[in-house]
Formats: sequence, C-alpha cells, structure tokens
Amino acid sequence: EAGVAQSPRYKIIEKRQSVAFWCNPISGHATLYWYQQILGQGPKLLIQFQNNGVVDDSQLPKDRFSAERLKGVDSTLKIQPAKLEDSAVYLCASSYGQGGSYEQYFGPGTRLTVT
Amino acid sequence: AQTVTQSQPEMSVQEAETVTLSCTYDTSENNYYLFWYKQPPSRQMILVIRQEAYKQQNATENRFSVNFQKAAKSFSLKISDSQLGDTAMYFCAFKNAGNMLTFGGGTRLMVKP
Repeated sequence: EAGVAQSPRYKIIEKRQSVAFWCNPISGHATLYWYQQILGQGPKLLIQFQNNGVVDDSQLPKDRFSAERLKGVDSTLKIQPAKLEDSAVYLCASSYGQGGSYEQYFGPGTRLTVT
Repeated sequence: AQTVTQSQPEMSVQEAETVTLSCTYDTSENNYYLFWYKQPPSRQMILVIRQEAYKQQNATENRFSVNFQKAAKSFSLKISDSQLGDTAMYFCAFKNAGNMLTFGGGTRLMVKP
C-alpha cells in the first residue's frame, strides 16, 4: 500500500513570495490533515478535511494560508505572501475516517525555508 | 483546550537497556486517545503505540509499553532492550472526540552503542 505522498520535499523562497505544497493521501482515506512543524517543536494542526469539506481550520492563518481539496482526494496548501516565521516542515497526514480509533498516517513532509 | 507536556527535551540510553519517556496532559474530557509517535531523522512520523482512555490495561507493542495513569494524567513510554534504530524524536499526542491531535514538544532520544 502506497503511503502519503508530498511534494516538493524542499523549498527555499524569499519573504513575500508565494509557495504551494501538494499532498496525495493513502487511497480510500477520507480525512486529510495539514500540520506545521517548526524546528524543535511538535506538529501543529493547520487544517483538517473530511472528503472535500473543511472540518477544522481554527489554527490556519487565513490572511496568508489557504488550502483546498477540491475532489476529495489530493490537496494543496498555499502561502501567500510568505514570512520568515513560516519556515518549517509542512506535514500532510491522512486517515480512513474521523474519530480517535483511526490512525493518522504521515507523509515525509516539505521543508520550507523563507529567507 | 488540551495541552501535552514532555518535560525531557533530550535523553540517552545505552543499547540493550531500558528507557522511559515522560508525558503529561491536561484535559477536561473523559473519552480520548493517547499516542506515542516516533520521528526518525528522515522526518516520517510513525505511530509507535496507542492507548484508549477507557481501557485500564496498559498498551504494549513488542518492546514498547506505556504506563497510563488516568487520574494523574500521565502517559509514559517505556522502551525495553533499546536498539540503535530507536534513535529518534518521540512525540506524545492527545486526540479528543473531535479528532484534533495535539502534540507535545518532543523528546530527542539517543541510543548509544
């Protein structure tokens, strides 16, 4: 079974530029998550999708971050414009369903450096 | 809001010995799940072990076991017979009924040969 795929693996941009990350979840997983992991910290949930609908985006900085999952499968996370403090690893995860019994599977992440 | 605290930023253990990583959490909920995740230097987060709050029996997965103390809101991870491949960041995480996963700050574990 293929795991969660993410691209690119690394990205370096200058502040005020835009960037987009892509995630393809495990086939059949209805729930998709985006996390931000700043160096030395645990991941922080940015947004959670159930199929193509947003379940929780309370910690997403909506003035600069946006995410979509139009067809309920893969997803993109965009930052526009980027700030220095956005430097982090962006992790995508998926699970078969919602609820505590469903395990979240993580992708390898995208390391973003904003200079 | 839930909080998860890992008070040990770094730990080390000799190969084949046992190490315990600490985790405490704060919640007002009664039904929830607790997890330990491993994140090796390659960055892929892997689930190590899971505990349902309604179960009194501590979860065990091969060399990994937990000590779940619900009243004390404590959830420690014990790694027995440590191996070099256990070197990684370990994150304790809490999931509530709303499915939101909250992570602690992590403990960096180094297994020494």
